[in-house]
Amino acid sequence: NAGVTQTPKFRVLKTGQSMTLLCAQDMNHEYMYWYRQDPGMGLRLIHYSVGEGTTAKGEVPDGYNVSRLKKQNFLLGLESAAPSQTSVYFCASWPTGQGSYEQYFGPGTRLTVT
Amino acid sequence: GQQVMQIPQYQHVQEGEDFTTYCNSSTTLSNIQWYKQRPGGHPVFLIQLVKSGEVKKQKRLTFQFGEAKKNSSLHITATQTTDVGTYFCAPILTGGGNKLTFGTGTQLKVEL
Repeated sequence: NAGVTQTPKFRVLKTGQSMTLLCAQDMNHEYMYWYRQDPGMGLRLIHYSVGEGTTAKGEVPDGYNVSRLKKQNFLLGLESAAPSQTSVYFCASWPTGQGSYEQYFGPGTRLTVT
Repeated sequence: GQQVMQIPQYQHVQEGEDFTTYCNSSTTLSNIQWYKQRPGGHPVFLIQLVKSGEVKKQKRLTFQFGEAKKNSSLHITATQTTDVGTYFCAPILTGGGNKLTFGTGTQLKVEL
């Protein structure tokens, strides 16, 4: 199993450009999450999904959109990037089911918006 | 929203010394998780605490959940260089979705 993978690992955008971050998991997990982590801070939840075809807003959803067309993939989109969106983005998944309570994180995408 | 504060923000210790990080909430928590993030890495799950007053141990790591379920702590005995990283507490939010709210984290540096 590859676990949770994220594409790309690094990206530099100019203000106003758009991009999509891809998260993929091969563990058949129901729930998936997108977080951002700014220097010296904890992770903040952007959006999450409790199953294929569903999405919901987290703590800091503004400026981002998501889609979960397939169970194994969770996409995070930035329509018009801003310098304030410079951050490290982590995707995570959770298996649900009895006794399953840890979130599995991907390696992260480091995004810089200039 | 639910806020979770961790103290200290940073801790430098000599290898072999003990280390403790504290997590405090203004509201009663249903449960709390702890994660470790190595420099340049991603968070890795350590443990989940659910019961009031619960104490769990993993080798040199001891996790506690307060009696009032408003605070938690992680204690590392005799730190090693492999313990370097940032430790986050993360209560699970109510409202479904198993959403976590991460604390501010404690960055641990271990010097030889």
